Amino acid sequence: SQTIHQWPATLVQPVGSPLSLECTVEGTSNPNLYWYRQAAGRGLQLLFYSVGIGQISSEVPQNLSASRPQDRQFILSSKKLLLSDSGFYLCAWFRGDRVSGANVLTFGAGSRLTVL
Amino acid sequence: QKEVEQNSGPLSVPEGAIASLNCTYSDRGSQSFFWYRQYSGKSPELIMSIYSNGDKEDGRFTAQLNKASQYVSLLIRDSQPSDSATYLCAVNMAGTYKYIFGTGTRLKVLA
Repeated sequence: SQTIHQWPATLVQPVGSPLSLECTVEGTSNPNLYWYRQAAGRGLQLLFYSVGIGQISSEVPQNLSASRPQDRQFILSSKKLLLSDSGFYLCAWFRGDRVSGANVLTFGAGSRLTVL
Repeated sequence: QKEVEQNSGPLSVPEGAIASLNCTYSDRGSQSFFWYRQYSGKSPELIMSIYSNGDKEDGRFTAQLNKASQYVSLLIRDSQPSDSATYLCAVNMAGTYKYIFGTGTRLKVLA
């Protein structure tokens, strides 16, 4: 079966520290992968998406970066966290909908980051 | 103008009533539209997808699409307290792999 994993689930980091969030997808190959961020009480903001290994599209200029070292692995990083980086980070992949045949976004469980 | 707009709510309806959630979008060429439900502290889960003008029904849920008016809606019939959540509208931007979300409408179903 097709599943998406994210870790860590929760983390608390001081301002200025580095960050690494990891996302992996199982049961599929060459998925489109996405990173979204949801700040407290706000909607989902698209940060990065990738259509293949080494191919990253950035949507919002900021101190975050993304990498895709393997087909089913997507990593979100920062060298120095800001207070404004706090939020709920969601990885998603683009899968085929069995009923309609169209592709839909499916989310992982999320990583909740608090920057102090 | 925001790419995808929703009323933030909260929208309060009594149990058993119809809840109506609305969404407008700016990209006239968009072809794929989605409704997600998000419980507090959880990740969004897909409820409905719609690609053609008109209505699409799935159980108690009906999605409605009007591309001329750039408008998508979600009706929830016989609303239950368990339907209380934030409902997110998402649009696949035409010719791209980008999925843009609205800020969501918080629904409260009162028992």
